[in-house]
Amino acid sequence: DTTVKQNPRYKLARVGKPVNLICSQTMNHDTMYWYQKKPNQAPKLLLFYYDKILNREADTFEKFQSSRPNNSFCSLYIGSAGLEYSAMYLCASSRGDSYEQYFGPGTRLTVL
Amino acid sequence: AQSVTQPDARVTVSEGASLQLRCKYSYSGTPYLFWYVQYPRQGLQLLLKYYSGDPVVQGVNGFEAEFIKSNSSFHLRKASVHWSDSAVYFCAVSSNSGGSNYKLTFGKGTLLTVTP
Repeated sequence: DTTVKQNPRYKLARVGKPVNLICSQTMNHDTMYWYQKKPNQAPKLLLFYYDKILNREADTFEKFQSSRPNNSFCSLYIGSAGLEYSAMYLCASSRGDSYEQYFGPGTRLTVL
Repeated sequence: AQSVTQPDARVTVSEGASLQLRCKYSYSGTPYLFWYVQYPRQGLQLLLKYYSGDPVVQGVNGFEAEFIKSNSSFHLRKASVHWSDSAVYFCAVSSNSGGSNYKLTFGKGTLLTVTP
């Protein structure tokens, strides 16, 4: 099973409110990634977990937080949503020594 | 820093016609190249990948791509498209982010529409 699951598929949030998105995989992959995809833009890497170590991209460092309570789950947390956070959020996973990433269906976040 | 350019935001072809989706990359090291496809309401699925060796790589559903180092290109091709090929196609290059971790840099994608 090469399935990566994301919940919810659609999320509506109010400006200033927190948002928590969930991703899970059962492939025992040690690395999990979060990307942001806006219309007419390339998917952009936000952060990734290698095992228990979180790596955040420099330009989004303060905007997103994440946790990984166990190998299978990874969350993406926005403390105070702004309109600019409206996007598709893609979760992916991979084995640490592999270039291949497996993607979930995405969560479409709309901030109003 | 690495980058990927897909110059065609939209491509429309007739069913049964041949297809080429263009991709050019910029990366100083040895590139690991990918094509992903995203069907409506689904996640990105890997079509094919190139690591080394034969520059023409075969993927699923009759797709292939050719790595041309001198041109920094990795164009996707298919001899005869089907209506079910309508989707968004992303080209990506993988880079080492430290240790054994790799990050993908994507192009903006090309929306392929196959008409009857």
